[in-house]
Amino acid sequence: SAVISQKPSRDICQRGTSLTIQCQVDSQVTMMFWYRQQPGQSLTLIATANQGSEATYESGFVIDKFPISRPNLTFSTLTVSNMSPEDSSIYLCSVGGHFGIQYFGAGTRLSVL
Amino acid sequence: QKEVEQNSGPLSVPEGAIASLNCTYSDRGSQSFFWYRQYSGKSPELIMSIYSNGDKEDGRFTAQLNKASQYVSLLIRDSQPSDSATYLCAVNEAAGNKLTFGGGTRVLVKP
Repeated sequence: SAVISQKPSRDICQRGTSLTIQCQVDSQVTMMFWYRQQPGQSLTLIATANQGSEATYESGFVIDKFPISRPNLTFSTLTVSNMSPEDSSIYLCSVGGHFGIQYFGAGTRLSVL
Repeated sequence: QKEVEQNSGPLSVPEGAIASLNCTYSDRGSQSFFWYRQYSGKSPELIMSIYSNGDKEDGRFTAQLNKASQYVSLLIRDSQPSDSATYLCAVNEAAGNKLTFGGGTRVLVKP
């Protein structure tokens, strides 16, 4: 499986600011995904990060709030924009492997005050 | 809306016993099924994948798949306190590469 580095690991942010989360993989991967895990909940897919084109967002998530970049096959960023306390969550990136398997980064624990 | 359902638990089992976890899914065309383990404060870790009907064993873990019944299960034999975690069932969408996760089952193994 790929080695996935995600940073920051945690952050405390003020309401109205933005935070960019980085996800770096040690090998080229076609598929990269961003998830949100709210406290005590399961994982919800935010979007699929596509290399060379716009991300594909899931219902309930929009590009203005969660802009995503995917400049190459080893790197992606997720920005959480104009944050509110409701954005306090764990944000996870994952990469797609063979046979549909996904491997996860360590996650970013975000608290918004 | 594709759904994956799990009993939230907690499932409490004594050390050395078998823990049995269940998962049902709605997308009849799904072909790939996964069990992830998530310790508190950590990210999900893949423990089992299964793609065809029947049983698949890996160490103390056995995954069972019944596509006709749209049902996946995970057995943990000889449960250890270190198995205490939340277990997430994930199903690959028939039409793409996305995973849909169940709500997770919290397992507590008591010494």
